[in-house]
Amino acid sequence: GDSVTQMEGPVTLSEEAFLTINCTYTATGYPSLFWYVQYPGEGLQLLLKATKADDKGSNKGFEATYRKETTSFHLEKGSVQVSDSAVYFCALRGKDWGSQGNLIFGKGTKLSVKP
Amino acid sequence: DGGITQSPKYLFRKEGQNVTLSCEQNLNHDAMYWYRQDPGQGLRLIYYSQIVNDFQKGDIAEGYSVSREKKESFPLTVTSAQKNPTAFYLCASSPPRDSDYEQYFGPGTRLTVT
Repeated sequence: GDSVTQMEGPVTLSEEAFLTINCTYTATGYPSLFWYVQYPGEGLQLLLKATKADDKGSNKGFEATYRKETTSFHLEKGSVQVSDSAVYFCALRGKDWGSQGNLIFGKGTKLSVKP
Repeated sequence: DGGITQSPKYLFRKEGQNVTLSCEQNLNHDAMYWYRQDPGQGLRLIYYSQIVNDFQKGDIAEGYSVSREKKESFPLTVTSAQKNPTAFYLCASSPPRDSDYEQYFGPGTRLTVT
């Protein structure tokens, strides 16, 4: 079945450092891919998404490119801030009938940014 | 403002009691979902509903029940049969499954059973 694997955390960075959180997926067909962010004690918020190969999603300085050849959707940010400290989830939404359109999540990566 | 509301934010119950978690959306979405979140385990799907009066079990439905009598509402009951009910519960909704749209999440309910 469909699955998402993302790098385990926690990840600790200093402010203004470069961030990469790896995400790879296994799916039939061409799923839509998402990054969600969860701040402490809150629900998930969509950070960015890409719905077809080579699409680049971007928001708030974060970027991720849908790479079909490597089945990856790595999240990057050039200069992190303390306010980026959160848990980041990679997810896919299958488009074939069997997937029911449900989201499949990775386990999440906790990011802590120190001043 | 459109969105998803979950109430209450914190809920405390004694072991052996059933408890119902509320989820309401005014986004006019057809599909609604319930997830459970435990530390280090990501999100696991409990139940989902693609249309009113219909719902399906997710990956961890045992000990839970739902209803979908109205498009806007998808309450989750945690029964006494759920062996480890203490967790953070998230409700979500989305447009129909054959779209590229994301799921929208509520703020969550933290349930503690002692």
